[in-house]
Amino acid sequence: GAVVSQHPSWVICKSGTSVKIECRSLDFQATTMFWYRQFPKQSLMLMATSNEGSKATYEQGVEKDKFLINHASLTLSTLTVTSAHPEDSSFYICSALNTGNWAENTIYFGEGSWLTVV
Amino acid sequence: SQQGEEDPQALSIQEGENATMNCSYKTSINNLQWYRQNSGRGLVHLILIRSNEREKHSGRLRVTLDTSKKSSSLLITASRAADTASYFCATQGSNYKLTFGKGTLLTVNP
Repeated sequence: GAVVSQHPSWVICKSGTSVKIECRSLDFQATTMFWYRQFPKQSLMLMATSNEGSKATYEQGVEKDKFLINHASLTLSTLTVTSAHPEDSSFYICSALNTGNWAENTIYFGEGSWLTVV
Repeated sequence: SQQGEEDPQALSIQEGENATMNCSYKTSINNLQWYRQNSGRGLVHLILIRSNEREKHSGRLRVTLDTSKKSSSLLITASRAADTASYFCATQGSNYKLTFGKGTLLTVNP
């Protein structure tokens, strides 16, 4: 089946630094990817929709200048957490929309990235 | 924003018993999906039911959808200890976005 790779799986960074998380669709092209954040014992909250070749669409309450999203190719979207603070520590998960099969537009999830800001 | 509301929030059962989780949502949908998540891991897609379907089976899973009540249920039959995980429903509209419910933490005791 289709695979979405997310990297790194976990990262620890110092407060004030920036961290980049990559989301790759390995065997299909994804014009649309989604970024979610999940705090411990909570559900997934959609942060933004990443569109290849155009600006991301952010959900209400998500700071676009803090969470930079770049979707420069059909197989790669990146999320950069700028000037990270401890409250940004969370599990970040991406998903990619596979529209290649007209009968079934399916979303595939990455394995997630744990971010700890110290 | 959260759309789905699952109940119960937590469910503890014995191996071999059936587990039923419910999900309610608020807006119109194209389909509803159920996912499983082991602690600290990514999501595993379990089953998708379209808005024009009422029931769907996959192995030990049975999903129902009642669009008039905007609700869905996930039944896991003959549960196993390995089924222990969090289960989320997610609704999908025409824009492909998935909106997740709060989830049910299922514990299956051996």
